[in-house]
Amino acid sequence: DAKTTQPTSMDCAEGRAANLPCNHSTISGNEYVYWYRQIHSQGPQYIIHGLKNNETNEMASLIITEDRKSSTLILPHATLRDTAVYYCIVRDVSSGSARQLTFGSGTQLTVLP
Amino acid sequence: DTAVSQTPKYLVTQMGNDKSIKCEQNLGHDTMYWYKQDSKKFLKIMFSYNNKELIINETVPNRFSPKSPDKAHLNLHINSLELGDSAVYFCASSQEGTYNEQFFGPGTRLTVL
Repeated sequence: DAKTTQPTSMDCAEGRAANLPCNHSTISGNEYVYWYRQIHSQGPQYIIHGLKNNETNEMASLIITEDRKSSTLILPHATLRDTAVYYCIVRDVSSGSARQLTFGSGTQLTVLP
Repeated sequence: DTAVSQTPKYLVTQMGNDKSIKCEQNLGHDTMYWYKQDSKKFLKIMFSYNNKELIINETVPNRFSPKSPDKAHLNLHINSLELGDSAVYFCASSQEGTYNEQFFGPGTRLTVL
């Protein structure tokens, strides 16, 4: 029960921005939006998280709609090394069980040369 | 200076055997996890553990047990291995807190013959 919906796959040209959408229409007020990615044969890697404001770090930007029912992860200048499965996760961090990440099927992003 | 390490990286064994996978983190975190990624690439939480609480995913058979000799280690013991246990197992760690980003190990690929 991942609570999120993502496209199965997307392509992006190298050097262009990659915009990965995520729907989380049942998100509650205590739930944050997290993004992780998994490069082939590696463990998942944290990218970014947010509650309601847009966030930016050295890896990506996260845009959350005002009603919080959807968000977009933006990789501003995609490289071949960004090819991975990207997971959007909603998570209530206020309870003990919230430590556990619930992964959906994610979006396979392929960056093309 | 690996943050979360697992041994072995590959494990091939016969049905019915008992095996262990080791996990160590040098991040000073107080919470550790085990996840299972099956052949369809779905990542599922198995356990989360800190010195206060063990949370077990109810779908995990009791043949699986986590054992933590100290805060930096969480080993996974599996008794009476079955074919369906074949998967990649990921260890992760985090620091208890509101926004606890999880750091994942490289994974252990278990093959049961």
